[in-house]
Amino acid sequence: GIQVEQSPPDLILQEGANSTLRCNFSDSVNNLQWFHQNPWGQLINLFYIPSGTKQNGRLSATTVATERYSLLYISSSQTTDSGVYFCAVDSGGSNYKLTFGKGTLLTVNP
Amino acid sequence: NAGVMQNPRHLVRRRGQEARLRCSPMKGHSHVYWYRQLPEEGLKFMVYLQKENIIDESGMPKERFSAEFPKEGPSILRIQQVVRGDSAAYFCASSGTGNTEAFFGQGTRLTVV
Repeated sequence: GIQVEQSPPDLILQEGANSTLRCNFSDSVNNLQWFHQNPWGQLINLFYIPSGTKQNGRLSATTVATERYSLLYISSSQTTDSGVYFCAVDSGGSNYKLTFGKGTLLTVNP
Repeated sequence: NAGVMQNPRHLVRRRGQEARLRCSPMKGHSHVYWYRQLPEEGLKFMVYLQKENIIDESGMPKERFSAEFPKEGPSILRIQQVVRGDSAAYFCASSGTGNTEAFFGQGTRLTVV
């Protein structure tokens, strides 16, 4: 099956800092999503981005499908950004079954 | 628009009891998916359903687990004779026809004691 690797596994920032999270995947995809799991466990949709670039406030994402990676940028981080960020892609042959990476645990300190 | 609604948020069951987890998809969505998040395994696909049909249950354990999405009412994930290893967060997601973006509910945290 498709492999999804996220880096770094852990990241600690001071409030106001910028960060880049990476997601590598092993095969072509039709669906790529970024999620934020907050400290209460809720999964929040950030981006649906199988290719191209999108921005939403302080967050933006870029997927280079031909090179099989996606980047999530967080600018001017806030303590509320803390949590785990997951990248998920569809498993080859099925555009609905998401395979999740292990996530990046982000801690933003005041 | 209300998002994907799951209930209960927390469920405690004794070993051997049954657990029923409910999921109402987003308005207008007809595709429902269940995922399980175990502490050391991450989020894993379990089953994909449309109204009255199981489309793909390749991620479901072979025994004790079942899912349905009836014509009327929420989707139900049922776990019979629960064991400690079933303790996990169970997430439901939904998507609309022709759009594969999945939206997740808040999850049900099952604890088996």
